[in-house]
Amino acid sequence: SAVISQKPSRDICQRGTSLTIQCQVDSQVTMMFWYRQQPGQSLTLIATANQGSEATYESGFVIDKFPISRPNLTFSTLTVSNMSPEDSSIYLCSVAPAGGPGEQFFGPGTRLTVL
Amino acid sequence: GENVEQHPSTLSVQEGDSAVIKCTYSDSASNYFPWYKQELGKGPQLIIDIRSNVGEKKDQRIAVTLNKTAKHFSLHITETQPEDSAVYFCAAATTSGTYKYIFGTGTRLKVLA
Repeated sequence: SAVISQKPSRDICQRGTSLTIQCQVDSQVTMMFWYRQQPGQSLTLIATANQGSEATYESGFVIDKFPISRPNLTFSTLTVSNMSPEDSSIYLCSVAPAGGPGEQFFGPGTRLTVL
Repeated sequence: GENVEQHPSTLSVQEGDSAVIKCTYSDSASNYFPWYKQELGKGPQLIIDIRSNVGEKKDQRIAVTLNKTAKHFSLHITETQPEDSAVYFCAAATTSGTYKYIFGTGTRLKVLA
């Protein structure tokens, strides 16, 4: 199993600013994912962040808007850049096994409100 | 692209009754099908999963069935309790280079005492 913490847990930001969300895992993991969950909606994958390689972004998400860092096997950051009210959402990080799909563990999420 | 449909979007049952949630996936290469429970203010938590080489799996009051031919899988909760009230998501894992999970749209389950 893996225990994941995220910082901040919530924030209220002004449009045009940027926010960096931190994801810390209590064990070394290879596969890490960042999701967005809008209120009352499902989870949408933003990108896959593997240590030692560039993040892989899903359609509709670009590196300039959501830059990701993965400096080691226990930590990652997601930045939401030049925010607009449409970016208001819950952002979740998760980890999963390296050898193939299996149990995925999620952080508690970061609730972002953009005014 | 890959897609997972989930029905119903909301489900109300009386305590002690059974609840069934159904999902359909589009990518025939999907080989892992987890179900998650998400409570308010928390991240999703895995409650049961099934792989493509298995047709059914059971864990106490919950079970999952998979029909690969029809690309359907279902969650069954028996003897429902108020604490089962939550949002449930199905997902399908697709492998393309690395792998990723595609989530269904979610089902809000209410168990009425």
